[in-house]
Amino acid sequence: GAGVSQSPSNKVTEKGKDVELRCDPISGHTALYWYRQSLGQGLEFLIYFQGNSAPDKSGLPSDRFSAERTGGSVSTLTIQRTQQEDSAVYLCASSSGPNGELFFGEGSRLTVL
Amino acid sequence: DQQVKQNSPSLSVQEGRISILNCDYTNSMFDYFLWYKKYPAEGPTFLISISSIKDKNEDGRFTVFLNKSAKHLSLHIVPSQPGDSAVYFCAASAKSGAQKLVFGQGTRLTINP
Repeated sequence: GAGVSQSPSNKVTEKGKDVELRCDPISGHTALYWYRQSLGQGLEFLIYFQGNSAPDKSGLPSDRFSAERTGGSVSTLTIQRTQQEDSAVYLCASSSGPNGELFFGEGSRLTVL
Repeated sequence: DQQVKQNSPSLSVQEGRISILNCDYTNSMFDYFLWYKKYPAEGPTFLISISSIKDKNEDGRFTVFLNKSAKHLSLHIVPSQPGDSAVYFCAASAKSGAQKLVFGQGTRLTINP
């Protein structure tokens, strides 16, 4: 497809389990972002990848969160030992460069029981 | 610390009238502002933006106004149409942060026929 693709669209997990969320950006986009939206909140920046530069991890809320981007394309956001407060919609976006328009995926809704 | 605030969680407007969505920010380093629109189960989509060197930007039915001294921006939609019903997010960034956008909490706009 032409847009940003995220999977899974919904994930329900038990507290303490690890989860992986995947993002396929638009082909050719060098910048990739992860945001999350908790209930009643705005979008919260998590991490930003730009080309081969070191990622900006300044938004990751704890060391249980990590992300990687393999081959400059697909990205995986990993949450270890999930907690109930991790429940949110995790949104991925890509852009053609650091100043390009962001195109968002539909998000992955994570529910931690 | 909410750097971008949308104080109205919801707004209801009659079709054909003007919709005005407001946004306030606290960080004087922000120099680029955007509005995103989000339908249920979809990712946010870019609507309109404004640079801090301007005080107004217009695109069809959508106009964004920026008041730097008040650290306030607003989105005007006129005339409002039923398809405009969505959640609208205000976002801001600083040059040093590239497109690391800071989002408001969103305002749910409902256009009544």
